[in-house]
Amino acid sequence: KAGVTQTPRYLIKTRGQQVTLSCSPISGHRSVSWYQQTPGQGLQFLFEYFSETQRNKGNFPGRFSGRQFSNSRSEMNVSTLELGDSALYLCASSWGGQMNTEAFFGQGTRLTVV
Amino acid sequence: GQQVMQIPQYQHVQEGEDFTTYCNSSTTLSNIQWYKQRPGGHPVFLIQLVKSGEVKKQKRLTFQFGEAKKNSSLHITATQTTDVGTYFCAAVSSGSARQLTFGSGTQLTVLP
Repeated sequence: KAGVTQTPRYLIKTRGQQVTLSCSPISGHRSVSWYQQTPGQGLQFLFEYFSETQRNKGNFPGRFSGRQFSNSRSEMNVSTLELGDSALYLCASSWGGQMNTEAFFGQGTRLTVV
Repeated sequence: GQQVMQIPQYQHVQEGEDFTTYCNSSTTLSNIQWYKQRPGGHPVFLIQLVKSGEVKKQKRLTFQFGEAKKNSSLHITATQTTDVGTYFCAAVSSGSARQLTFGSGTQLTVLP
């Protein structure tokens, strides 16, 4: 079956702009989690959506938001971009939730803020 | 908040040597997961441990969960060049407000 698909793969934005990233989970998976990965901070949990509801949230400012649609596809939005938001953004899908069951990661979106 | 320490940060081994990475949490965990990320790749789920004192094996990989559910280890026997990558633990806190925290990872280099 198809894996987790993230689009776009690469993105360059200017400071102050906003960006929307997309994640299509594996068919049948109801949970989508988002992560930020940087060399300095490692892998940090942003939030998890399950059946269109945000179930868990990490310690990120309100500029980071997300949503999940009825087909389980998820989007993540970052407003008022800062240089420090440059990172690899990963999403992971799972059947029962990232915290309980095996999660499958997408290839990620590499965001560069200039 | 929950803190997860993973050591060592880097490990270089000769092919055929063993390798171990450790994760320690400041709080009791509900469960812990292990992932492997190859250079330029994305994390791949390896295993989940749930029970106190649990030991699971996958071929040359042995995973352990401490009796107090505060620490875990991943041991690779007789490393191969295909084992190269960064190994992460992902700790899930217990209690009503569960959090998932990734360790900083151990970057393994295997020299042929």
